[in-house]
Amino acid sequence: QKEVEQNSGPLSVPEGAIASLNCTYSDRGSQSFFWYRQYSGKSPELIMFIYSNGDKEDGRFTAQLNKASQYVSLLIRDSQPSDSATYLCAVWARKDSNYQLIWGAGTKLIIKP
Amino acid sequence: IAGITQAPTSQILAAGRRMTLRCTQDMRHNAMYWYRQDLGLGLRLIHYSNTAGTTGKGEVPDGYSVSRANTDDFPLTLASAVPSQTSVYFCASTGTPGTGELFFGEGSRLTVL
Repeated sequence: QKEVEQNSGPLSVPEGAIASLNCTYSDRGSQSFFWYRQYSGKSPELIMFIYSNGDKEDGRFTAQLNKASQYVSLLIRDSQPSDSATYLCAVWARKDSNYQLIWGAGTKLIIKP
Repeated sequence: IAGITQAPTSQILAAGRRMTLRCTQDMRHNAMYWYRQDLGLGLRLIHYSNTAGTTGKGEVPDGYSVSRANTDDFPLTLASAVPSQTSVYFCASTGTPGTGELFFGEGSRLTVL
């Protein structure tokens, strides 16, 4: 089992709809969870982070964390074509003897006009 | 403009040659990282530095070396490049160590023939 898993997609969503991106992780002791957006040919940029169970909202973006089920999700409301990108889930977790950021391979999101 | 600068943006290199990828940040961040990104594998940590004068090995350190003589600069050296090192390399930094809140450079695309 990969430490951080995401569906590679592509996930195709009509413009104006809600896009739902999911991520599962294996380390039950993980405390911090991050969503990065990466446009094609560009570098990742942080869009959301969440540390506590429940929902965290920032504009059109909502991060949801369920530690008992070991999943974190990102909802994008009123999806726009400019939201088309690859979304990377990252988890701050113990790997070997150190804590480090563990990355999923990303989900490609396509918003269709 | 504050941020992280990487150079070169793109490079084609013959196998066996030595190559240094440069990374400079002006945010006075203590922690810096080098990642490689390959299709389907996500971001993998090569080396990191928590503060000037210290470095550590990440998930895939073999064939790479780093130095951190000062806060701003964190060069990555390939002593003798091999085709499997063909990748996109990202330098990142954080002002909040122990979290996943990273700022990324624009990346260096390296092709080893």
